[in-house]
Amino acid sequence: QKEVEQDPGPLSVPEGAIVSLNCTYSNSAFQYFMWYRQYSRKGPELLMYTYSSGNKEDGRFTAQVDKSSKYISLFIRDSQPSDSATYLCAMRKETSGSRLTFGEGTQLTVNP
Amino acid sequence: GAVVSQHPSWVICKSGTSVKIECRSLDFQATTMFWYRQFPKQSLMLMATSNEGSKATYEQGVEKDKFLINHASLTLSTLTVTSAHPEDSSFYICSAILAGGPYEQYFGPGTRLTVT
Repeated sequence: QKEVEQDPGPLSVPEGAIVSLNCTYSNSAFQYFMWYRQYSRKGPELLMYTYSSGNKEDGRFTAQVDKSSKYISLFIRDSQPSDSATYLCAMRKETSGSRLTFGEGTQLTVNP
Repeated sequence: GAVVSQHPSWVICKSGTSVKIECRSLDFQATTMFWYRQFPKQSLMLMATSNEGSKATYEQGVEKDKFLINHASLTLSTLTVTSAHPEDSSFYICSAILAGGPYEQYFGPGTRLTVT
């Protein structure tokens, strides 16, 4: 079983829709949670970073962490065609230094 | 801030030759850099962790004699793919961490290697 599970999609939505992306994990030692956006043939770009449970909002993006359920989410409001990319969740443990464990990535297409 | 560059962005080489990929932190010092490999429609696979001034730590299954990593300074790490073969064709991405923290990884734009 993978430590981090993420539905690879693909996910296709109309412009303006609210997008919900999710990851589940099995190891309760994960304490730091990140979402990266990766455009085709580019390196990942850090979008959101959260520590432990709770919500964090940045513009159209909201990250949620529910440690009791081992479940994290990224919400994108008013989605735009420029949001079309692969979204990777990542997480790390307190004891693993800076080593990240990635989800498989969800491919998102926002149609104009 | 926290910009990481890679050079080249795309390289084609013949089977049996070696190719070097550079990873630079442009506006910060990085004591640790990571090298990843990514196949189409797949997630990032960590190959090795590179620490300035010391030997790289390779992940299980990664041939250290084939993928040579040198972290010679606080702003530069290199990955050399030796005796490349077509199965080494992939997207190679590096990341770097700010010396002294926080410990978030900043990724380079990636290098596409095609071995013919």
